[in-house]
Amino acid sequence: EVQLSESGGGLEQPGGSLRLSCAASGFIFSTYAMNWVRQAPGKGLEWVSCISDSGGHTYYADSVKGRFTISRDNSKNTLFLQMNSLRADDTAIYYCAKDRWTRDAFDVWGQGTVVTVSS
Amino acid sequence: EIVMTQSPATLSVSPGERATLSCRASQSVSNKLAWYQQKPGQAPRLLIHGASVRATGIPARFSASGSGTEFTLTISSLQPEDFALYFCQQYNHWYTFGQGTKLEIK
Repeated sequence: EVQLSESGGGLEQPGGSLRLSCAASGFIFSTYAMNWVRQAPGKGLEWVSCISDSGGHTYYADSVKGRFTISRDNSKNTLFLQMNSLRADDTAIYYCAKDRWTRDAFDVWGQGTVVTVSS
Repeated sequence: EIVMTQSPATLSVSPGERATLSCRASQSVSNKLAWYQQKPGQAPRLLIHGASVRATGIPARFSASGSGTEFTLTISSLQPEDFALYFCQQYNHWYTFGQGTKLEIK
């Protein structure tokens, strides 16, 4: 079964850091681009970041550029999101999502991990 | 940034009836359009990609059409499990989502 499972969320103060992880199983992780998408409480979906299958190319939404870093370890089938300089408006559920194909829709999503930024 | 606008924000329909949801892009996205369903407390689920292609395992009562800037998702004969939140997403230029349409029971 194809699965994604996020972890690493929690409560952090403004200006702090968190590192999210997403464990993948049931597919050849190293052949697909991966994404992070977030959803603020009661709001819609916002794409955050994307990384190519090899990890050689990364892309970010303007709202997180310079603060967040996406990476992956294909030997461990794991995706990461390092979040620094956290702000209150980063509070959201963070989902990892798999590209269906190159630069395509997201066909597999994790269950999400909650990030709360508050003093 | 391509802005995706969904209408209506809330749609009230009776079980067994048809629901039609709309999504408009601020500029052409060709057929690079997806639809997702999200239920409370759950992750989004891919319904449609390529503007009109049902994803694996999606029932035939879900259909979609459109290209360029105007897109439609139709759910024929609504089932109880279809009442949920629906998002459109363009992936022609990066990725942006609509704000969602809540499909509720009338």
